[in-house]
Amino acid sequence: AQSVTQLDSQVPVFEEAPVELRCNYSSSVSVYLFWYVQYPNQGLQLLLKYLSGSTLVKGINGFEAEFNKSQTSFHLRKPSVHISDTAEYFCAVRTSGGSNYKLTFGKGTLLTVNP
Amino acid sequence: DTGVSQDPRHKITKRGQNVTFRCDPISEHNRLYWYRQTLGQGPEFLTYFQNEAQLEKSRLLSDRFSAERPKGSFSTLEIQRTEQGDSAMYLCASSLAGRDGYTFGSGTRLTVV
Repeated sequence: AQSVTQLDSQVPVFEEAPVELRCNYSSSVSVYLFWYVQYPNQGLQLLLKYLSGSTLVKGINGFEAEFNKSQTSFHLRKPSVHISDTAEYFCAVRTSGGSNYKLTFGKGTLLTVNP
Repeated sequence: DTGVSQDPRHKITKRGQNVTFRCDPISEHNRLYWYRQTLGQGPEFLTYFQNEAQLEKSRLLSDRFSAERPKGSFSTLEIQRTEQGDSAMYLCASSLAGRDGYTFGSGTRLTVV
């Protein structure tokens, strides 16, 4: 079984500031990692994913994340945020060898970008 | 294709009533997933289908819950004898088998009063 811990439930930042949303996972087997974004009253949208290869993954909307196996982390970063980035962000994990592609999500981090 | 559609968007029901939600996935996607999201939590896996076959069900899915995907296209999720604890957002997602990264619908928000 896997679990995901998002260390901050809320992160307020000012527009154009950098941001990092933290995610740690726990698993006894190899995993794939994902970040999703959820805007108010909408479903989740995939931002980026790590399956293999380079540990630095670039996604949509200028976001990137780095997989750190030794620290079991997959932190999400953006160098300069916009008001429109205000949303809930979810880190998720699945077993790399599984066939069902079932995801385990963290509780989410609410990013609020202030002018 | 406009993505994954869920209907209704909102449902308010009295405790003890039955409710049914519908999900229309992206047409070429053969996998369909249901998740439940309660306030302040991330989505939790309920069940998934590959084509018309229901391949896995979570222990969260009590006997009052049933899901179907009769022709391998749209899916329905029924909750019988609803309880206040069933109040949540029910999310549907679809994907191609072997491909990571779902497409989620906008969800159905259920409120049981």
